Amino acid sequence: VRLAESGGDVVQPGRSLRLSCAASGFNFHNYAMNWIRQAPGKGLEWVALITYDGSNDYYTDSVKGRFTISRDNFKDTLFLQMDSLRVEDTAVYYCARELSGYTPAYWGQGTLVTVSS
Amino acid sequence: ETVMTQTPLSLSVTPGQPASLSCKSSQSLLHSDGKTYLHWYLQKPGQPPQLLIYEVSNRFSGVPDRFSGSGSGTDFTLTISRVEAEDVGVYYCMQSINLPTLTFGGGTKVEIK
Repeated sequence: VRLAESGGDVVQPGRSLRLSCAASGFNFHNYAMNWIRQAPGKGLEWVALITYDGSNDYYTDSVKGRFTISRDNFKDTLFLQMDSLRVEDTAVYYCARELSGYTPAYWGQGTLVTVSS
Repeated sequence: ETVMTQTPLSLSVTPGQPASLSCKSSQSLLHSDGKTYLHWYLQKPGQPPQLLIYEVSNRFSGVPDRFSGSGSGTDFTLTISRVEAEDVGVYYCMQSINLPTLTFGGGTKVEIK
């Protein structure tokens, strides 16, 4: 199992950013996927989840209406569209594949998003 | 929202000695399917988190048998039978009973004396 995030950058508050997570080594279309973030020096915070077929997606309250998780099962890629970014969204963003029951089991190395004016 | 509380905040352990980490949830993690959705992760310095234990007591693939999990309902424990230098890092518990929302504890930092 390999997960490789990309797309992290330094952006101003209010701007948008799209993260990608390229998956390999497993049947991507069979598994739910998560985005989990970690602010500098802080703990882990679950951000969003998408079911294996993309039919359902879920978000933590602080990003609802601003972030959108999606996936391309033909290209084995997970996405996180982040709009109206805030300073408090600054974090390393990890994608993670479920083991079962949405439990994150396999994690990428993460990509850093910095929101600053 | 299910709140996960971990104690202690930090732990300094002599190599070869045992370590015990606690995690308490604000509500029972026992599901009607009979499973308890409490999991443990270790984040080593500079690395992403790695799954150690899932559903209270099941070691994930490749996890050494010095790691074990126990507990039920709202109280859970991760035990390291003999701490090694490579075990340093922050340990997090996580609940997945209140799907689809997942919540993590604040973490316990383990250091070597």
